[in-house]
Amino acid sequence: EDKVVQSPLSLVVHEGDTVTLNCSYEVTNFRSLLWYKQEKKAPTFLFMLTSSGIEKKSGRLSSILDKKELFSILNITATQTGDSAIYLCAVGETSGSRLTFGEGTQLTVNP
Amino acid sequence: NAGVTQTPKFRILKIGQSMTLQCAQDMNHNYMYWYRQDPGMGLKLIYYSVGAGITDKGEVPNGYNVSRSTTEDFPLRLELAAPSQTSVYFCASSYAGTAAEKDNSPLHFGNGTRLTVT
Repeated sequence: EDKVVQSPLSLVVHEGDTVTLNCSYEVTNFRSLLWYKQEKKAPTFLFMLTSSGIEKKSGRLSSILDKKELFSILNITATQTGDSAIYLCAVGETSGSRLTFGEGTQLTVNP
Repeated sequence: NAGVTQTPKFRILKIGQSMTLQCAQDMNHNYMYWYRQDPGMGLKLIYYSVGAGITDKGEVPNGYNVSRSTTEDFPLRLELAAPSQTSVYFCASSYAGTAAEKDNSPLHFGNGTRLTVT
């Protein structure tokens, strides 16, 4: 059975801190790993990673994938209160169209 | 484009009642999905569809039914509501006309339907 495990499950930091969120996975035929940010409503897409070692970056957020060790990290530097959200990791397989989601990391950034 | 539209936003059902959660997308996406999200949990796939007339079960299909008669609409039916179906339901869609697009087409989510069964 496919499995996606995120850690930590929750994290509280102060504005300006740097955080690292972790995602490990076990899937039969890996195709891609995706990160989403979920505030009050629908998850919004952040990154899709398919190749090891290539960092994806968007502003203060960056992510990298290690296909040998089967994990990914999402880094957020100089955190702001607007970064407070649930961050979801999901993995897709080559054999189908479905994503398996992790439980998410609840990040709270205090002023 | 409105994107993915879900209705209703909220609903309270009594045990044993039935209802249909509506989902429509106007992006001409061929793939559509229904997920549920329980408090403090990630998303679990209920059903999905790769095109009109084609549906398939996800991880947690029991107690639900779907249909996909058009590209735009993908309703989710609950026949006999149970308290265990209290959750937030998200519909999503993506487009994949080629294998490459399938590998690089993230999901677009609706805003969710919050369902309580008491």
